[in-house]
Amino acid sequence: EPEVTQTPSHQVTQMGQEVILRCVPISNHLYFYWYRQILGQKVEFLVSFYNNEISEKSEIFDDQFSVERPDGSNFTLKIRSTKLEDSAMYFCASNRDRGVHEQFFGPGTRLTVL
Amino acid sequence: DQQVKQNSPSLSVQEGRISILNCDYTNSMFDYFLWYKKYPAEGPTFLISISSIKDKNEDGRFTVFLNKSAKHLSLHIVPSQPGDSAVYFCAASSQYSTSGTYKYIFGTGTRLKVLA
Repeated sequence: EPEVTQTPSHQVTQMGQEVILRCVPISNHLYFYWYRQILGQKVEFLVSFYNNEISEKSEIFDDQFSVERPDGSNFTLKIRSTKLEDSAMYFCASNRDRGVHEQFFGPGTRLTVL
Repeated sequence: DQQVKQNSPSLSVQEGRISILNCDYTNSMFDYFLWYKKYPAEGPTFLISISSIKDKNEDGRFTVFLNKSAKHLSLHIVPSQPGDSAVYFCAASSQYSTSGTYKYIFGTGTRLKVLA
């Protein structure tokens, strides 16, 4: 069964460094998302992406964040200058069709900012 | 601003009995609701959903009930099995989307433990 994959599974970085989290959505999916979950808290929406454009973003998704679909298969989340409070589990998700609500989530990347 | 709340952080149920997980929401614009299950070190997995035009949706052992006037939904699992032990999140969204993408607002989750 096709699945969303994410790399790396765990990323440790120093505060102020740039990180890129990578996701490979399910191949025929057209709509892509990033969510994050700070330890012990709820899963929070960051951004949605369709047709090479951001569709919607939350207040969390400020100028330090960017997303890209560089090559038709990968979907990346870049954090330009990481802060301690960016430490969280980051989940990528995708879905196929307009009108289909169900999103398929990847296993997540745990980001630790020291 | 907790638009979606799961007030029970944990629940323990004996195997074979019914598990009832609850979720409340405050935003009347939400009209589509989903339940996701999450095991440790994995991403959330879709379980079942319900549109606001229905008050019940059933899929095998899982049934979701929606009470729009109370802004409340519940997930019933019967019979509960040890493999159901996981964290359950409810999520809400609006059916209306100009872009085709749907932003989920998640609850804080309920950790279900099914005792053998």
